[in-house]
Amino acid sequence: EVQLVESGGGLVQPGRSLRLSCAVSGFTFDDYAMNWVRQAPGKGLEWVSGINWNSGMIGYADSVKGRFTISRDNAKKSLYLQMNSLRDEDTAFYYCAKGGGGGYSYLIDYWGQGTLVTVSS
Amino acid sequence: QLVLTQSPSASASLGASVKLTCTLTSGHSNYAIAWHQQQPEKGPRYLMRLNSDGSHIKGDGIPDRFSGSSSGAERYLTISSLQSEDEADYYCQTWGTGIHVVFGGGTKLTVL
Repeated sequence: EVQLVESGGGLVQPGRSLRLSCAVSGFTFDDYAMNWVRQAPGKGLEWVSGINWNSGMIGYADSVKGRFTISRDNAKKSLYLQMNSLRDEDTAFYYCAKGGGGGYSYLIDYWGQGTLVTVSS
Repeated sequence: QLVLTQSPSASASLGASVKLTCTLTSGHSNYAIAWHQQQPEKGPRYLMRLNSDGSHIKGDGIPDRFSGSSSGAERYLTISSLQSEDEADYYCQTWGTGIHVVFGGGTKLTVL
């Protein structure tokens, strides 16, 4: 059974940092691209960042470029999101999401349960 | 620029069928998409992958009531025999050059 479990969310002041983690099981982690997707309260889904299987290709949404860093540790079967210079508008549920593989690398086919990040003074 | 367009809302009666639409921008009509469901107060759930030729592969445990089809730049999600638990937000998703993942704005489905 595929499982994606996020952790690391919480309440943080504007300008501070937070690191999210996603531990996976049930599939060969280093065969697949991975993503972070967020959802602000009452809003739709917003892609944050993606990383290919060997970290050779990385992408970011314009809204987080230069502030957030995605990474992965294939040996630990884990995905990370380092979030710096956090802003009020970064408040959201953050979801870890698995890519579909093959020719569907960034079509998401599994989601984690999400972790809530609240940025507030 | 790659954009996915969805109607903000849709409604249909219990037991009826509904067809939701996701439209790709011009020049991207051959792109595959994914459909995702988000029930109230829950995280998203993958429904299916849908190709430009209408072929689709559903996720684990997705009922036969859910099906997909395509026509040109439009991608459809059809839900038949609507049940109360189908009341949810539905998002389409794809990706572009490099790593540029895109979501549609979502359609809120109300089951009457």
